[in-house]
Amino acid sequence: DQQVKQNSPSLSVQEGRISILNCDYTNSMFDYFLWYKKYPAEGPTFLISISSIKDKNEDGRFTVFLNKSAKHLSLHIVPSQPGDSAVYFCAASDLNYGQNFVFGPGTRLSVLP
Amino acid sequence: NAGVTQTPKFQVLKTGQSMTLQCAQDMNHNSMYWYRQDPGMGLRLIYYSASEGTTDKGEVPNGYNVSRLNKREFSLRLESAAPSQTSVYFCASSDTGTVNYGSGYTFGSGTRLTVV
Repeated sequence: DQQVKQNSPSLSVQEGRISILNCDYTNSMFDYFLWYKKYPAEGPTFLISISSIKDKNEDGRFTVFLNKSAKHLSLHIVPSQPGDSAVYFCAASDLNYGQNFVFGPGTRLSVLP
Repeated sequence: NAGVTQTPKFQVLKTGQSMTLQCAQDMNHNSMYWYRQDPGMGLRLIYYSASEGTTDKGEVPNGYNVSRLNKREFSLRLESAAPSQTSVYFCASSDTGTVNYGSGYTFGSGTRLTVV
């Protein structure tokens, strides 16, 4: 059973609008979360992180929100740009147990010009 | 450029053949990892090495072996390849300790392996 779920395999958004990518997790011990972006034929690259002591973290156009009670996090991209078209992976870890991250299956975002 | 280097980028094997995937990092990271990526499954951990001289199984270790050759290099070996091992393999590295997990892992660009 997947501990990290991204229930939308794909998402299409118009350029300039907001993209919202969702991630749910089942392990209440997870206390650190990452988002990675992956372009075709490249490795995943780090985008933004959030610790369980926070409920929001911003970095430019990217904001991650964490709702611990719902075991849910989301990545907001505002405004979306065509260069944001990629696969986005959510990852979670229980840092008290170790640093191995569990990844979700990914969501393919397409930003249409 | 600093980072994680994987070789080869592509490989086709016949069932039963063996091969080793190579990975090297030049960031002086302590920990290294091997993941496989399959459609709809995300990235699944095969093996990891928390520090030089140690290796541990991840989520999907069967059919694989690893060697942490030194701090820089971490190789993944398929002794007898099977079609189920057709996948994209990623090597990653990270700092360990409690103060620098801001960016998690640095990934290589991947090895696309096809077993026929």
